Amino acid sequence: QVQLVQSGAEVKKPGSSVKVSCKASGGTFSSSAISWVRQAPGQGLEWMGRIIPSIGIPNYAQKFQDRVTITADKSTSTASMELSSLTSEDTAVYFCARGVGSLYYFDSWGQGTLVSVSS
Amino acid sequence: SYILTQPPAVSVAPGQTARITCGGNNIGSKSVHWYQQKPGQAPVLVVYDDNDRPSEIPERFSGSNSGNTATLTINRVEAGDEADYYCQVWDGSSDVVFGGGTKVTV
Repeated sequence: QVQLVQSGAEVKKPGSSVKVSCKASGGTFSSSAISWVRQAPGQGLEWMGRIIPSIGIPNYAQKFQDRVTITADKSTSTASMELSSLTSEDTAVYFCARGVGSLYYFDSWGQGTLVSVSS
Repeated sequence: SYILTQPPAVSVAPGQTARITCGGNNIGSKSVHWYQQKPGQAPVLVVYDDNDRPSEIPERFSGSNSGNTATLTINRVEAGDEADYYCQVWDGSSDVVFGGGTKVTV
């Protein structure tokens, strides 16, 4: 089963951008669909978007369409998510997760990366 | 957009059965997946495609899905089952959708 290891916690100023990475091992990275899911403090899970590295074309949730960029580097088996124009409402734990097939469930998750936005 | 509705909380005594519902318009026509999340940890898949379990998940966890309601059932509940549980589907217009989550207290 694929294992996902994410980059470390970030503290950002309002208006800036953050980039979180997710390195995969033990599986077929290129053919996997890697999604990003975030969780604000005390809140539920929120899907942001996905990318299939072998295709390279991302899909984004409408809410984040204008601010998120998801990329994948097949050479390093690493997916990344960049979120711009940060506000305090973007303070959350960001998870990467591997989506399975056409049913779109997630069988492997990264450990999560806390992004704090504060002036 | 497609909406999934879960009760905020469910309380159950050890050894009893917990049932967590997930409501959505004609959800019975979709594949429903369930995740368990303990504090400070990433979610863990416990049921996929309505009623299939990953090999490492105990048989005490099962799911059903019909009409407008999907249900996660946990039999013989243990203290270690205390967690937040989320349902999730894929919808053609909304893509991946999660329910709001249910806190199970044992």
